[in-house]
Amino acid sequence: GQQVMQIPQYQHVQEGEDFTTYCNSSTTLSNIQWYKQRPGGHPVFLIQLVKSGEVKKQKRLTFQFGEAKKNSSLHITATQTTDVGTYFCAGSGSARQLTFGSGTQLTVLP
Amino acid sequence: GAGVSQSPSNKVTEKGKDVELRCDPISGHTALYWYRQRLGQGLEFLIYFQGNSAPDKSGLPSDRFSAERTGESVSTLTIQRTQQEDSAVYLCASRQPGQGRSYEQYFGPGTRLTVT
Repeated sequence: GQQVMQIPQYQHVQEGEDFTTYCNSSTTLSNIQWYKQRPGGHPVFLIQLVKSGEVKKQKRLTFQFGEAKKNSSLHITATQTTDVGTYFCAGSGSARQLTFGSGTQLTVLP
Repeated sequence: GAGVSQSPSNKVTEKGKDVELRCDPISGHTALYWYRQRLGQGLEFLIYFQGNSAPDKSGLPSDRFSAERTGESVSTLTIQRTQQEDSAVYLCASRQPGQGRSYEQYFGPGTRLTVT
C-alpha cells in the first residue's frame, strides 16, 4: 500500500532560524495536504498542493510539490514560538483516503 | 457554524470492556473519517464513509473495531473487548462533497481513550 515518509521526526530550532520538513511517498500522489497540530490539539489544515512542481506561500511558510508528485516540503522562514507544533503531510493517491506522514515535531527555543 | 464534535472527550475503561465513541460531522459534509493517534505518533487511518457508498474499512486493525454511520450524519466507532494497546486519541474528520480527495479534512477534538 501507499506509504508516506516524513523527516525529520523532531527538530529544535532557535527562534529566528529557518525550518524545513520533507515528505516522500512510495507512489505518485494526486495531491498532498499539510496539517499543523499544536500540542494537545487536533490537526488543522494548512494547504493543498495539486500540480507538479507547485509552490505556494503563506506568509513565512513555503510549500513545494515535487515534479514527479512523489515528494513535498514545508519551509518556515524565521521561526517564531507560535510555530511550535507537529507538522504532518498527507498524500492522496488512487485510494480515497489520505495517508498521513509520521509528522515532524517542531520546538522553537526563545 | 459548529465544527466537528466528538464525545466523550476522555474515556477510561477497563481491559475487556466495550467502548463506543461518537462523532458529529459538520452539516453537509458527506465524507467522514476515523483515525487513531497513539502518543507522539502520526495519524493511523481506520475507516472512511462517503455518502451511501460502502465504507472503506481497510484501516481497521482487528475485528474488535467496527464503525457505523447513519446517513450523512453521526458516526460511532465501537471497540469491543478493549486491550491496553487500544489506548490512543481517536480523531474524527469530515470533508465536504467534491471531486474525490480534493478538499481539506476538518478534525474534531478527539476522544482520548485509556484502557487500564
